[in-house]
Amino acid sequence: DGGITQSPKYLFRKEGQNVTLSCEQNLNHDAMYWYRQDPGQGLRLIYYSQIVNDFQKGDIAEGYSVSREKKESFPLTVTSAQKNPTAFYLCASSMLGSNQPQHFGDGTRLSIL
Amino acid sequence: SQQGEEDPQALSIQEGENATMNCSYKTSINNLQWYRQNSGRGLVHLILIRSNEREKHSGRLRVTLDTSKKSSSLLITASRAADTASYFCATDATMNNYGQNFVFGPGTRLSVLP
Repeated sequence: DGGITQSPKYLFRKEGQNVTLSCEQNLNHDAMYWYRQDPGQGLRLIYYSQIVNDFQKGDIAEGYSVSREKKESFPLTVTSAQKNPTAFYLCASSMLGSNQPQHFGDGTRLSIL
Repeated sequence: SQQGEEDPQALSIQEGENATMNCSYKTSINNLQWYRQNSGRGLVHLILIRSNEREKHSGRLRVTLDTSKKSSSLLITASRAADTASYFCATDATMNNYGQNFVFGPGTRLSVLP
């Protein structure tokens, strides 16, 4: 079954700690995205990547970092510089080009201890 | 900056009724997409409508697009309890060397009561 897998489903962060959220896809998509969703709100773009070893900042990249060493994987690190990390994080992928729908994982819910 | 804004923010209807959600946006678009999100899950793509299309159907879904008014509507006919979810519109935003990104509105929370 093709799809996107995010792990873990729930994650807790202590103050001063960096945590990494995993996102893996087997859809052979070139583009991958990370979004943040706060309660009752829409999605805000954190980072996106449309080719291996290259990625671009989205609207709210501060306090986050990513890597794209493999086409299938796009991990997101929430650093200690992100002072309000509690949110639902969604990873998505798509084919390149216009008119392509995005396919989403089931999210990781991050909370502060 | 938010491109798409859904209206209403929340909608409650009885099973069997139709549900209509609206999306307004600010700048020119190439296409507009609608997504659905069940509570605590990821988004699922429902339908895409291009800027040169006025109406599109998919099963019980009907989407319209009025580029002169910069608005779109999603109609779900004969709603079911299983349609209870949040619905988002997404408009294409930045075009760069590789492709484009989408901007999602805050969504409409639909509750279908049995």
